[in-house]
Formats: sequence, C-alpha cells, structure tokens
Amino acid sequence: EAQVTQNPRYLITVTGKKLTVTCSQNMNHEYMSWYRQDPGLGLRQIYYSMNVEVTDKGDVPEGYKVSRKEKRNFPLILESPSPNQTSLYFCASRLMGSSYEQYFGPGTRLTVT
Amino acid sequence: TQLLEQSPQFLSIQEGENLTVYCNSSSVFSSLQWYRQEPGEGPVLLVTVVTGGEVKKLKRLTFQFGDARKDSSLHITAAQPGDTGLYLCAGASSGYALNFGKGTSLLVTP
Repeated sequence: EAQVTQNPRYLITVTGKKLTVTCSQNMNHEYMSWYRQDPGLGLRQIYYSMNVEVTDKGDVPEGYKVSRKEKRNFPLILESPSPNQTSLYFCASRLMGSSYEQYFGPGTRLTVT
Repeated sequence: TQLLEQSPQFLSIQEGENLTVYCNSSSVFSSLQWYRQEPGEGPVLLVTVVTGGEVKKLKRLTFQFGDARKDSSLHITAAQPGDTGLYLCAGASSGYALNFGKGTSLLVTP
C-alpha cells in the first residue's frame, strides 16, 4: 500500500529537549516536505527536499532542521523545542512536478511545555 | 509565497443542501488542487485542475478553475454528513512548492 508514515503520532515534551519526528514513504518519490498546521494559519511549509542530500527552507524554517540521507526518509529535527512549536505536523511526498498528487502522512501532534 | 484566500472559513449546513466554496488569489497558478482533511488525518487529494476554465466533476462535487487561473470553486450538490471536513485549495506556480489556503471547515448535519 502506498503510504507516508510518521512517528510518533503524539508527543508531549519539555522546552529544550531535542526530538526527532521520523517520516518515511514507500512510493519512490523525489519530493518530500514538512508542514505545520495551526488554527487560523493553515498549512505552512517548514522544509522541503527535492532529492537525496538536497534540502531547502520553506516558509517557516526557524527552529527546525531536516536531513535527506536516503530517498525514502525525511526526518524533522527540533534541536531545542519551544512552546511556540506546539503544533500539528505533517510530512508529505510526491513526484517532482507540482501538479502531481501530494501524499500526506497521518500527522504528529506535538506539545512543548 | 502567493496568498490563497478561501471563503467561507466555516460553513454549517443541513443534509441535502448545496454549497460553494471559493479559493481566490491575485497570482496566476499553473495548476490548482483541492484536498479534503478529516479530523485526525492528513489531507487527501480530491482533484487537480490545470487549464483555465476547466471543470471537473467527482460524483456530487464540481470543481472549476477560473479562466485566468487565479481562482477556483468547489460546489457540492446535496451535501451529506460524509462530506464533513476541512477543504483546502493549493496552488502551484513556477517553483516546486504548493501554496495552501487556510481552508474551509464544512459541517453537514443530518
């Protein structure tokens, strides 16, 4: 089954404690991205990657890091989480053309206290 | 980042009613997509429109891309409770990014 998986689905952590949210896709997609979704602000892109070892900032990259060492995986790293990073996070992947369907993971709800 | 404005922000209707959701921008898009997101899940693609003036139908849902490729609409005929969800439009321009609107939250009550 074609899918994007994320782990964990829910996470409560404290300010400053480094965390990683994993993302994996089984569709051999080149393009992967991370979004955060907040009430009243919609979906905002954090980082994206067009292929292995190729990553770039989206609209709201501050406080986040990513890596793309393998085509299927695109982890999101919060080195020192802060309460304003409490949000619902989605990983997504698609083929390179922007008109292709973007497949989203199930989401990770992060709370930073 | 090109802005996509969606209206209305919230919509609560009774089963059987018709509704239209709008997605507007001052920018031209090469393609526009509509997604539906249900609580606790990620968005799922409903349709992609590419040509100005294009109309696509998906059962009771009708999607239209504006002639100038700056706006789009989603019309639902005889809404059902299963149509409840957040409807998101997303536009693609010259780059690789998809720009999302903030969404229209639809509630259809029996």
